[in-house]
Amino acid sequence: RKEVEQDPGPFNVPEGATVAFNCTYSNSASQSFFWYRQDCRKEPKLLMSVYSSGNEDGRFTAQLNRASQYISLLIRDSKLSDSATYLCVVIDRGSTLGRLYFGRGTQLTVWP
Amino acid sequence: GAVVSQHPSRVICKSGTSVKIECRSLDFQATTMFWYRQFPKQSLMLMATSNEGSKATYEQGVEKDKFLINHASLTLSTLTVTSAHPEDSSFYICSARDNPNRGSAGNTIYFGEGSWLTVV
Repeated sequence: RKEVEQDPGPFNVPEGATVAFNCTYSNSASQSFFWYRQDCRKEPKLLMSVYSSGNEDGRFTAQLNRASQYISLLIRDSKLSDSATYLCVVIDRGSTLGRLYFGRGTQLTVWP
Repeated sequence: GAVVSQHPSRVICKSGTSVKIECRSLDFQATTMFWYRQFPKQSLMLMATSNEGSKATYEQGVEKDKFLINHASLTLSTLTVTSAHPEDSSFYICSARDNPNRGSAGNTIYFGEGSWLTVV
């Protein structure tokens, strides 16, 4: 079983739509969680960390459910520039600092 | 802010040759760097953990003799793909973590820009 599972999509939504991505992780000892964004043929860039209490950054809201080992990302009022692949990333407790486990990514296309 | 630089960004090589990819931390020291590989529409897969001054730690299934990693200084790790084959064509990317003792600002993982390798 993979460490991090994501629905690859693709998700095709119109501008202004709300879209949600989900991610599950297999290791209950995982300690840190992130959402990264990766544009085509580019390196991943940190979108936001995910905290146990849930956190929001503008149009983006991240949630963590440790009991279900589930992470989500909600994007409101989608923009064309949100088109990208969104990667769920997990760091395990006790693992080498910086060792990341990536989901395969969820592809989002926002159309006019 | 801290930056990780990777070079070259694109390289084409012939089958059987070797190619070296460099990963540099520009304004911080990285005792540990990570090398990932990403095939089209796939996830980033960790290949190895590069440790300054010691041998790299390879993930299961990654050939040590084929993917040589050298981390000779605190700011440079290199990945050499030896005897490259077309199936080695992929996106290779490195990452490094800033010193966690620098507080929250240092608790950040930085990625290089990635290197596209095409073996013909």
